[in-house]
Amino acid sequence: EAAVTQSPRNKVTVTGGNVTLSCRQTNSHNYMYWYRQDTGHGLRLIHYSYGAGNLQIGDVPDGYKATRTTQEDFFLLLELASPSQTSLYFCASSDGQGKVFFGKGTRLTVV
Amino acid sequence: EQQVQQSPASLVLQEAENAELQCSFSIFTNQVQWFYQRPGGRLVSLLYNPSGTKQSGRLTSTTVIKERRSSLHISSSQITDSGTYLCAKYSAGNKLTFGIGTRVLVRP
Repeated sequence: EAAVTQSPRNKVTVTGGNVTLSCRQTNSHNYMYWYRQDTGHGLRLIHYSYGAGNLQIGDVPDGYKATRTTQEDFFLLLELASPSQTSLYFCASSDGQGKVFFGKGTRLTVV
Repeated sequence: EQQVQQSPASLVLQEAENAELQCSFSIFTNQVQWFYQRPGGRLVSLLYNPSGTKQSGRLTSTTVIKERRSSLHISSSQITDSGTYLCAKYSAGNKLTFGIGTRVLVRP
């Protein structure tokens, strides 16, 4: 069964803290994505990747790093978290031909 | 700039009514996909429609690439159709960009 698993599901951190969000897919997809979702802005692309070691810049990359360590694993790093990064984060995988699967999301609160 | 525009922003339907959701693109794309999301829930792909007309159950998508637009028709709406419908486009490198969505509420 196609799956994208995100962890943690909820996270609270302090301003200036380090946060790593994890995403694993078992779909053998080449493409993986990180989005943030905020009221009034919809889903905005942070970073994406087309394979292990590859990273592409999305539309709202400032303050975020990402790393694709394997075909399956894609990480989003916030090295100096700020309250403006409080959001619902989604990871997705795609085969590039219409098969797209999303994770359940990670709710991050920066206080 | 919002590259994917969706209209209307929200829609209220009586159960069994039909609805048409619109999506337009400021920049050319040759791949369009529609998704569905319950509040705070994960997104689920509904239809991948690069061009022409595609149907899945009560959903029909029509994409006219040269006019940079796509529509999603919901027929015989049900209460469980309530949620947000998002349109997305692909660009170079399989970059997937979303619109803000249309919120649909179906009332009994």
